[in-house]
Amino acid sequence: QSALTQPRSVSGSPGQSVTISCTGTSSDVGGYNYVSWYQQHPGKAPKLMISDVSQRPSGVPDRFSGSKSGNTASLTISGLQAEDEADYYCCSFAGSYTFVVFGGGTKLTVL
Amino acid sequence: QLQLQESGPGLVKPSETLSLTCTVSGGSISSSSYYWGWIRQPPGKGLEWIGSIYYSGSSHYNPSLKSRVTLSVDTSKNQFSLRLSSVTAADTAVYYCARRFTSSFGFDIWGQGTVVTVSS
Repeated sequence: QSALTQPRSVSGSPGQSVTISCTGTSSDVGGYNYVSWYQQHPGKAPKLMISDVSQRPSGVPDRFSGSKSGNTASLTISGLQAEDEADYYCCSFAGSYTFVVFGGGTKLTVL
Repeated sequence: QLQLQESGPGLVKPSETLSLTCTVSGGSISSSSYYWGWIRQPPGKGLEWIGSIYYSGSSHYNPSLKSRVTLSVDTSKNQFSLRLSSVTAADTAVYYCARRFTSSFGFDIWGQGTVVTVSS
């Protein structure tokens, strides 16, 4: 069982928006502004999409955005495209004992 | 363009020690700006952070693996390494090395990953 809880799957049609949630506790997501999101296509290494809750690395389309409210972080993908179909993982700093925790992953299907 | 490449045996026997190395190219491992980490992914499952190390040798480990994990860094070779002892079938996974800025939270560069199978 993963430390952070994500929905197993979400789906949307091209052009629509989807939001993936990532629920933790006050010891991880809620306690720090240190949440990152990764996109992983089958057989590939994860790719950083969002760091520090809402910062987009260079080269990541602005269709991807991150936010946080309390113990839940969210990744929103607007204007869905076929190539967005992938697994998405959230990750949070969890203090000076546990350090880093991942969510269980969410499979995004573009209908 | 900095790149990471994992290397090591693809097959390890139960109870033995898994050893992997990550070679950093296109940049220096000795930069004070980065942590260097290991993350693994069992077949069909999610990501699990194993640990991270600074160029000075300072390291942090996943508490669930801490008793079996050792990270080290060799600045002369621009490499960092993972040793996981007393492996079982549950340690079968794709092992990734990755870089993280010290000033932000996100693993921004990843190696391609290496498959390690634990089997007799």
